[in-house]
Amino acid sequence: AQSVTQLDSQVPVFEEAPVELRCNYSSSVSVYLFWYVQYPNQGLQLLLKYLSGSTLVKGINGFEAEFNKSQTSFHLRKPSVHISDTAEYFCAVINTGGFKTIFGAGTRLFVKA
Amino acid sequence: DAEITQSPRHKITETGRQVTLACHQTWNHNNMFWYRQDLGHGLRLIHYSYGVQDTNKGEVSDGYSVSRSNTEDLPLTLESAASSQTSVYFCASSESGESSYNEQFFGPGTRLTVL
Repeated sequence: AQSVTQLDSQVPVFEEAPVELRCNYSSSVSVYLFWYVQYPNQGLQLLLKYLSGSTLVKGINGFEAEFNKSQTSFHLRKPSVHISDTAEYFCAVINTGGFKTIFGAGTRLFVKA
Repeated sequence: DAEITQSPRHKITETGRQVTLACHQTWNHNNMFWYRQDLGHGLRLIHYSYGVQDTNKGEVSDGYSVSRSNTEDLPLTLESAASSQTSVYFCASSESGESSYNEQFFGPGTRLTVL
């Protein structure tokens, strides 16, 4: 069975500071990995995804994530955050060939002025 | 533009009543999903469908049912609403085929309160 652990439930950070949101997963088979963002009172939308190839994946809004197979991690980073990045971020995993996505519990990013 | 809509956006009901939440997508996706979102739990899968007349139970399906009579719609029914079903419900869809790498497109959510 697969699982996803987001290590921080809340991350407060000042505007223009860098941020890292941590995600670890467990799976006995190969997986695809995703980060979704949920702005207040909205549904989720895809930030980025890792399928194969380069372990550094770039997404929208200046976010990037690095897949580390040995550490089974897929941490999300941004070098300089904006107030508008305040949202909840979900890490998700799906095994290759599967259809059901497993979501982490979410990390609430709060960017302060 | 293609989209996925949910209605109602907010619903208050009483314990024991039957409630149906609507989900409509114009992406022409075969795969559709229903999740509930609760604090500390992230999104949990309730039911999903891979196409017309296909429905499957997710991890928290007790007390819920779905039906898929066409590609566009996957209504979620709470047969007898319970306070434990107070939550925010999200519908999502994705492409079929080699779709495990395809992103899911989410609706705006329905906030359901059961009193």
